[in-house]
Amino acid sequence: KNEVEQSPQNLTAQEGEFITINCSYSVGISALHWLQQHPGGGIVSLFMLSSGKKKHGRLIATINIQEKHSSLHITASHPRDSAVYICAVEDGGSYNTDKLIFGTGTRLQVFP
Amino acid sequence: DADVTQTPRNRITKTGKRIMLECSQTKGHDRMYWYRQDPGLGLRLIYYSFDVKDINKGEISDGYSVSRQAQAKFSLSLESAIPNQTALYFCATSEDPGQGLTDTQYFGPGTRLTVL
Repeated sequence: KNEVEQSPQNLTAQEGEFITINCSYSVGISALHWLQQHPGGGIVSLFMLSSGKKKHGRLIATINIQEKHSSLHITASHPRDSAVYICAVEDGGSYNTDKLIFGTGTRLQVFP
Repeated sequence: DADVTQTPRNRITKTGKRIMLECSQTKGHDRMYWYRQDPGLGLRLIYYSFDVKDINKGEISDGYSVSRQAQAKFSLSLESAIPNQTALYFCATSEDPGQGLTDTQYFGPGTRLTVL
């Protein structure tokens, strides 16, 4: 069983829909990251969070440490949001290493 | 100009050849990382470095070596390439916020390596 599981693996949506991508993990963590990988391959960090909720534009990330679960929400989705979204956790046992354990990603396609 | 650059962006080579992938950053970060990405798998850590004199193996270091020539440069070498090293390779950097804390990682554009 992977230490970081994402669901769904693939997601299609119509422009304007509200999107939710889920991430569950099995290890104790010190932080969780959400990343976006563009169709061309480049990876951009969206959020790093260890508790609560963060918002940036139309993107919202939440985390529930007790339930070992995080969600990434996209409001008013747009075709330019089409990408692979990757969840990664920092193992709380790996003190001060920034070593991340990555999920396999959720491929999102938003159609006009 | 991009903060984290990788060269080459694409490379096709033959089994047994020595290959070097280079990463440079202008962000002034101490920490640098090399990852590989394979279809259907998450990114996996090959090597990481916290400063010029500190290099550590990741989960899949066999068959790879690295060199941290300066704070800004971190190179990955495949001494004798084999076909199952065909993958997308990413370099990343991050700050050291100290006190055991973590920080955002900034990724290079990736190098697509094919070993025939």
